[in-house]
Amino acid sequence: GENVEQHPSTLSVQEGDSAVIKCTYSDSASNYFPWYKQELGKRPQLIIDIRSNVGEKKDQRIAVTLNKTAKHFSLHITETQPEDSAVYFCADYTGGFKTIFGAGTRLFVKA
Amino acid sequence: GAGVSQSPRYKVAKRGQDVALRCDPISGHVSLFWYQQALGQGPEFLTYFQNEAQLDKSGLPSDRFFAERPEGSVSTLKIQRTQQEDSAVYLCASSIGPGDTEAFFGQGTRLTVV
Repeated sequence: GENVEQHPSTLSVQEGDSAVIKCTYSDSASNYFPWYKQELGKRPQLIIDIRSNVGEKKDQRIAVTLNKTAKHFSLHITETQPEDSAVYFCADYTGGFKTIFGAGTRLFVKA
Repeated sequence: GAGVSQSPRYKVAKRGQDVALRCDPISGHVSLFWYQQALGQGPEFLTYFQNEAQLDKSGLPSDRFFAERPEGSVSTLKIQRTQQEDSAVYLCASSIGPGDTEAFFGQGTRLTVV
């Protein structure tokens, strides 16, 4: 069945360093890959997304890369700041009616 | 309001009690999703509505779970005879399209079954 694996589950970086979170998916029909950020006690919010016809997308300090052959996609955050601390979820949409989420990565940015 | 609104924010239910969770999606959004989020986990899909039609309910964990969206706007998730394992945050999300567009989440309802 559909599955999204996300690594690492916890990531601690120094302020100013880069953070990378990786996800793999199983359904070759997947065509839309959003990333959500969830701060403690708050709702998940979309921070960036990528579609299957694109290999990379960048928005200021955030970038996402997609490798369809290997079925994996990654979130890259550069020049991390304390306010980047949150749980990040990758997800994939296969064209049905459901978006499958990864288990999440808890990012700590130490000042 | 401008965003997805859920009520109540917190619900404590005694085991065996029925509960009803409400979701007000963004006006005009065709798609509505319910997710269950256990502590420390990602959201798990429960069910999907396109307008008033429930097109996918494959994620509902048992027949104690029931969802409806009778007029294509407000949705209610009902859980009958609650069990302790039902304790979780229940998230509602809405989007303009079926799934390949941004989903806007509500704040969630934290259900605790005691």
